[in-house]
Amino acid sequence: AQSVAQPEDQVNVAEGNPLTVKCTYSVSGNPYLFWYVQYPNRGLQFLLKYITGDNLVKGSYGFEAEFNKSQTSFHLKKPSALVSDSALYFCAVRDIWDSSYKLIFGSGTRLLVRP
Amino acid sequence: NAGVMQNPRHLVRRRGQEARLRCSPMKGHSHVYWYRQLPEEGLKFMVYLQKENIIDESGMPKERFSAEFPKEGPSILRIQQVVRGDSAAYFCASSPPGGTYGYTFGSGTRLTVV
Repeated sequence: AQSVAQPEDQVNVAEGNPLTVKCTYSVSGNPYLFWYVQYPNRGLQFLLKYITGDNLVKGSYGFEAEFNKSQTSFHLKKPSALVSDSALYFCAVRDIWDSSYKLIFGSGTRLLVRP
Repeated sequence: NAGVMQNPRHLVRRRGQEARLRCSPMKGHSHVYWYRQLPEEGLKFMVYLQKENIIDESGMPKERFSAEFPKEGPSILRIQQVVRGDSAAYFCASSPPGGTYGYTFGSGTRLTVV
């Protein structure tokens, strides 16, 4: 069965500092991995995905994530945080052999960037 | 392109009533997914549909919940005889055929059962 773990409920960082939001996954086959962001009372917005190829994936708003197969991780990173990055972040995984195409989401990590 | 449209945005129902949530996928998207988000929790998969077919309903409660995606018109998530525990945000997402694409999410329907 597929699963995603986001071990931190909340991450606090000062504006201008680098940020990391952690994600580990479990699938029986190979993963497709995604990051989404949710602002208050809004739907989820796509940030980036890993399908194949380069392990470092660049996405929207200056975010990037690194796929690490040996550690089954896909941590989200940004070199310099902005106050406007404060939101709820979700990691999601899909097993490429899962014919239903469904994404399994982690429980979310709240990012708080203080001025 | 209007994106994924969900309506209503907010829905209040008394216990025992029926709730109908609608979702129109993005143009060109033939796959629809419904997720539920309880307060302060992540998204839980409910059901995956294609036109006129339920592909995976492994996340749907066995009773009171049903979903459809007819040949014409939006996808409908129907909750019969709602209870307080059904209060949540319900999100619809759509994607094109093929599994390498992420989803596009709607803004959600916030159901409150009073």
